[in-house]
Amino acid sequence: DSGVTQTPKHLITATGQRVTLRCSPRSGDLSVYWYQQSLDQGLQFLIQYYNGEERAKGNILERFSAQQFPDLHSELNLSSLELGDSALYFCASSRQPISTDTQYFGPGTRLTVL
Amino acid sequence: GIQVEQSPPDLILQEGANSTLRCNFSDSVNNLQWFHQNPWGQLINLFYIPSGTKQNGRLSATTVATERYSLLYISSSQTTDSGVYFCAVVRDSNYQLIWGAGTKLIIKP
Repeated sequence: DSGVTQTPKHLITATGQRVTLRCSPRSGDLSVYWYQQSLDQGLQFLIQYYNGEERAKGNILERFSAQQFPDLHSELNLSSLELGDSALYFCASSRQPISTDTQYFGPGTRLTVL
Repeated sequence: GIQVEQSPPDLILQEGANSTLRCNFSDSVNNLQWFHQNPWGQLINLFYIPSGTKQNGRLSATTVATERYSLLYISSSQTTDSGVYFCAVVRDSNYQLIWGAGTKLIIKP
C-alpha cells in the first residue's frame, strides 16, 4: 500500500458526460501528479500540483482540468467525454515538488466511456 | 526530449527462471525509477536508482548512468512477478517523468 488513495476505483459513463476523479496523497506529501494510461500503453503525464498551486502541465486536454485543495487532496475533472478518454487514471504524490523525488502511485481509477 | 526504450517488449518464462530487463535512455538523467504494474493495474515502485546498484529480495537493479542504461534483474521468478515492468526517467527537476513502453513479463507455473 503506497498510502495514496484514489476514488472511485471504476467509473462507467457515456460520451458527452462529465466525471470527477479524486486523489488523496500520502501523509506529508505536498505534490500531486496526474497520469493517464491508455490500453497497453505507458503513462502520459497530465498535470502536477504543489501545495495548492499548479506547477507543471503535460499533455492535458482543454476538456480536462484539475485542482488541489487546502487539505492537499486533488480532483481531476474530465468533461465532454469521448470514447478515447477510456483509460486508467493514476494519481501520484511526492514530498518535494521536483520530479527527481520518488513518486508513489495510487491504485488508479479505471474510466470506461461508452 | 529524452527517448526511453525498454527491451524485450515481451518475455515468457517458467517459474524459477531468472530474467534481465533493460532500459536504454538517450540523454543523461537525474532520476530513474523502475515500476511493476500487476495484472490488476496497480503500479508499485521497485527502485529509485539514478546510478549504482540496489537489491531488494529477489530483485536487483543496476544503472550505468555514463552509458545510459539500467538493468532490472529478477531471480527465481514466481507467478506473482507477472505484469508489466516500466522504466521512467527525468533529465532534471524541471522536467517530468518520461516512461518507457514497458516489458510485459509472463511467468508460467
